[in-house]
Amino acid sequence: AQSVTQLDSQVPVFEEAPVELRCNYSSSVSVYLFWYVQYPNQGLQLLLKYLSGSTLVKGINGFEAEFNKSQTSFHLRKPSVHISDTAEYFCAVSVGGGTSYGKLTFGQGTILTVHP
Amino acid sequence: KAGVTQTPRYLIKTRGQQVTLSCSPISGHRSVSWYQQTPGQGLQFLFEYFSETQRNKGNFPGRFSGRQFSNSRSEMNVSTLELGDSALYLCASSPGGLAATGELFFGEGSRLTVL
Repeated sequence: AQSVTQLDSQVPVFEEAPVELRCNYSSSVSVYLFWYVQYPNQGLQLLLKYLSGSTLVKGINGFEAEFNKSQTSFHLRKPSVHISDTAEYFCAVSVGGGTSYGKLTFGQGTILTVHP
Repeated sequence: KAGVTQTPRYLIKTRGQQVTLSCSPISGHRSVSWYQQTPGQGLQFLFEYFSETQRNKGNFPGRFSGRQFSNSRSEMNVSTLELGDSALYLCASSPGGLAATGELFFGEGSRLTVL
C-alpha cells in the first residue's frame, strides 16, 4: 500500500532562517505530489503541486519543493521564514496521478514553529 | 468566487446518534471529496463523488455514507456515532477530480464532538 512519511513531526526555527520539511513516499506507479498548509481551526490550503515536468516546483509564499524520483522524496523548502509561516504542513500523494479521482494519501504532518 | 462552504462548523452529539454534514462546492465544481482528520489517524480519505456518483471510497465502516445532489452539493452521514468519530471532517471540491487540475480546494471543516 502506498504511504507518505513526513520525517519530522515538529520543526522549530528562527525568523529569517531557511527551513526544509522532509517528505518521502512509497509507490510503484506514477504519482502527483502536493504540499498543503493548515492554520489553526482552518482547512487546508495548497502550497504547491508536482504533476509532471520540471522537478523543481515553486509555490505560494516563497515555498518550493523538489521531486526526486530515485529517492522518492518531495522535500519542501523556504530560504527565509516569517512568523506568519507558523502552521502545520502536510505532504500528500495521489497514486496513479489523476486516476485516483479525489483521493489523496497524507503524511502525518509537520508543525513548523517560527520564533522571533 | 465563493469558496467551499461546510455546515455546520461545530456540533456536539452523543454516542448512538447520527449526524449529517453538508458541503457546498465552489461554483462549477462537480467533484466533492470528504476527509476525516483526527490527532491519532491524521487525514484519511472517506469518499469522492462526481455527478452524483461515488467514484472512490476509503476504508471506513458502512456507518459512514455520503451522497451528492444534482447541484453538486454533497452530504455525508455518520450513523450510530462512536467516541472515535470525533474529528474534523473536511470537504474538498474540484472541477472534475485530480485529473482535471491536480488540485483540491478545501473547506474549513465541520468539527464533530461525540460525547
